[in-house]
Amino acid sequence: AQKITQTQPGMFVQEKEAVTLDCTYDTSDPSYGLFWYKQPSSGEMIFLIYQGSYDQQNATEGRYSLNFQKARKSANLVISASQLGDSAMYFCAMREVNTGGFKTIFGAGTRLFVKA
Amino acid sequence: SAVISQKPSRDICQRGTSLTIQCQVDSQVTMMFWYRQQPGQSLTLIATANQGSEATYESGFVIDKFPISRPNLTFSTLTVSNMSPEDSSIYLCSVADRGPLNTEAFFGQGTRLTVV
Repeated sequence: AQKITQTQPGMFVQEKEAVTLDCTYDTSDPSYGLFWYKQPSSGEMIFLIYQGSYDQQNATEGRYSLNFQKARKSANLVISASQLGDSAMYFCAMREVNTGGFKTIFGAGTRLFVKA
Repeated sequence: SAVISQKPSRDICQRGTSLTIQCQVDSQVTMMFWYRQQPGQSLTLIATANQGSEATYESGFVIDKFPISRPNLTFSTLTVSNMSPEDSSIYLCSVADRGPLNTEAFFGQGTRLTVV
């Protein structure tokens, strides 16, 4: 079964607008972390934001925020005020502490296109 | 944050040959992982490189095809053996520390492998 599901293969957004990238996950481990990474065309993996399973508040990092809905097992990434440089692949990922051996598992990714 | 040097950055290889990819970290880390990213796909975990013992492989990956070494806490190698065009991918080394849950996984720049 898929542990991490990203249902949007591609998304378009107008420059300066906000966009939400969807991510749902599946785990029975009570201790887990959720991550978002950006991969530009250069191929490097850039860490964006983290949310822990025990965190009470949604994580924010600059223009990035994570809409964490634990009961729904969703961890959507919100990018505010999109910029042309935000065009890239975005991966949602999860690390299960007790059952996952501390390895990070990735979703299929969403390609974001920012239009001028 | 850990700095990871991965070599080679890219290579074109003949089918039937083998390629060894090196991953050097600038500090001692607990966990080292190897991922494969096939063209247009997400990252798939190949194995966890264990220091001083055999690597732990994920389903679908075997030691004969992807032998891994990890002689110490800062270095690991992945060999892609008896290559075929289907092995053309980006191979990424990743490290993490078994510490606070919010420790991000750091990635090398990747090795772009083309098998002809």
